[in-house]
This record gives sequence, C-alpha cells and structure tokens, in this order.
Amino acid sequence: DGGITQSPKYLFRKEGQNVTLSCEQNLNHDAMYWYRQDPGQGLRLIYYSQIVNDFQKGDIAEGYSVSREKKESFPLTVTSAQKNPTAFYLCASSIEAGLAPSSYNEQFFGPGTRLTVL
Amino acid sequence: QKEVEQNSGPLSVPEGAIASLNCTYSDRVSQSFFWYRQYSGKSPELIMSIYSNGDKEDGRFTAQLNKASQYVSLLIRDSQPSDSATYLCAVKDNQGGKLIFGQGTELSVKP
Repeated sequence: DGGITQSPKYLFRKEGQNVTLSCEQNLNHDAMYWYRQDPGQGLRLIYYSQIVNDFQKGDIAEGYSVSREKKESFPLTVTSAQKNPTAFYLCASSIEAGLAPSSYNEQFFGPGTRLTVL
Repeated sequence: QKEVEQNSGPLSVPEGAIASLNCTYSDRVSQSFFWYRQYSGKSPELIMSIYSNGDKEDGRFTAQLNKASQYVSLLIRDSQPSDSATYLCAVKDNQGGKLIFGQGTELSVKP
C-alpha cells in the first residue's frame, strides 16, 4: 500500500527529554513537511524539505530539528528546548515542492503522532 | 504576514441541507487552493483542490473560487451526519510553495 506512516501514534515524554517522531512515505514524493496542531487550532508549519539533504525552517522551528538523509524519511526531533511540546504532530508529503506559481502542491497527510509531556 | 481566515463555527445544519463554508485569504497572487476534512482525533484528508475561478464539482462537494474577491468556498449538498468534521482551508504560498492553513470551521450535521 502506498502512503505515509508515522510512529508512534502516541508518545509520552518527561520534561527535559528529547524525542524523535518518525515519518516515512513510499509515494516517491520529493517534498515533506512537519506541522503542529494544538486543540482548536489550524496547522502550523515546523520544518519542510523540498529535496533530499535540504530542509528549511517553517513558522515555529524553535526547539525542533529534522534531517532528510533519504527521500522516504523525514524524522522530527522535539528537543528539551521546546517550551510547550504537547500537541498533535502531522507529517505530510507532496509530489513536488510547488515552487512554480502554477504548480499545485497537493499535500497528503500521515495519521499523526500525539505527543504528551508529563 | 500572509493569512487565511475562516469562521471557526460551529456551523450547524440539518441533514439533507446545503452546508456552506467560507474562506478568505490575504495574498492576492495565490493560485492554488485546497479544502481538507478533519474528523476529531484524525489527520486532515484532502477533499478538493481548485486553481481556476469559478466552480469545481466532485460528487456532493462544490468548491468555488473568486480570485478578485480573494475568497474560496466549499458547498456540501445533501449534508449527512458523516460530514460532521472540521474543514480546513489552505492556500499555497507562491514564495516557497508552502501551504498556509486557516484555523478550520467545525461543521455539525444534525439528523
């Protein structure tokens, strides 16, 4: 089956710990994204990657880090520097980066990881 | 700061009625627009994309785009209780290709 997988589904972290959220896609998509969603809120972009070995900060990158060593994988690390990490984390991918104004950039989402800091 | 605005709702409609969801955006040069449906506790699901002015129909869903007025809407005909969800509007940022999301409109369809 083609799609985007995220693991784990639920994650509990103690304050001061770093945790890594996994995101894998087998859609052969070039671009991948990480979003954060808080209750009753829209999606806020954390980091995105348009191509392997390259990534850019989104609107709320502080306290997070990413890597893109393989096209299929885009893991997100939530560091202890992130002040309020409890949230629903969503990974998405699109077939291409959508840089051209006329390109569409439809993004498809994984099932999400719900992170709770204890 | 580029913005996408939606009425947070909740919007309540009776079963069988037409639900109308609206979205406005600030970036006049945006060209790609999307509607996502998100059930409670789940991830967003893409249901409509629209790129040209006018209407685009897919089953019970119709997306409407008016670039001059900078709004995009989603109509759901013959609304069903299973349509109860939060609907997110997203607009592609032409600088960098990112999507900018609205906060979502909660729709409740009453049997």
